[in-house]
Amino acid sequence: DAKTTQPPSMDCAEGRAANLPCNHSTISGNEYVYWYRQIHSQGPQYIIHGLKNNETNEMASLIITEDRKSSTLILPHATLRDTAVYYCIVRVATGNQFYFGTGTSLTVIP
Amino acid sequence: DAGVIQSPRHEVTEMGQEVTLRCKPISGHNSLFWYRQTMMRGLELLIYFNNNVPIDDSGMPEDRFSAKMPNASFSTLKIQPSEPRDSAVYFCASSQVDTQYFGPGTRLTVL
Repeated sequence: DAKTTQPPSMDCAEGRAANLPCNHSTISGNEYVYWYRQIHSQGPQYIIHGLKNNETNEMASLIITEDRKSSTLILPHATLRDTAVYYCIVRVATGNQFYFGTGTSLTVIP
Repeated sequence: DAGVIQSPRHEVTEMGQEVTLRCKPISGHNSLFWYRQTMMRGLELLIYFNNNVPIDDSGMPEDRFSAKMPNASFSTLKIQPSEPRDSAVYFCASSQVDTQYFGPGTRLTVL
């Protein structure tokens, strides 16, 4: 069962920052937040993950609220190739299963 | 690194036929996952292995589906007999610790 809530769709202008929100109000203390994306017809691609602290890598930044009940994925300069479905996942603590919800369909507009 | 390799990339078969999907995980990864994706149900976990042993197969739809992992570098997902409702994209993923890396998928069409 998905433990996250995401808006079904969002638009973002090319070159602007894309901020994708995710609610995970029932997250446990030892559960990580993961973000994946799926470009049409491809396999899901790992983006970033975090536990408590904000994280940054070459693809994106992850901002987790202090109470850990929500997070935001930031793509700093969105390009057309960032158009995809973005999944926010809370990893089940007792195993390593991922449960993908419906995600957010991000469209980057020229 | 070649990533997760799946074959075939596309499979078209007729109802009642046996279908075998294949997966080669990333070398050194000790967990392997099979997922199915449809428009109606999204991305569903079917089964996963840890160190070649099936850990959780609760997502396997019914007895027509079976999965094996005879060694650390190979896994199969078999459907026998296949039905039109099995049409979907099947993904294999592998992981070493937590992060899963997905293959390109096999698009299965059962006529």
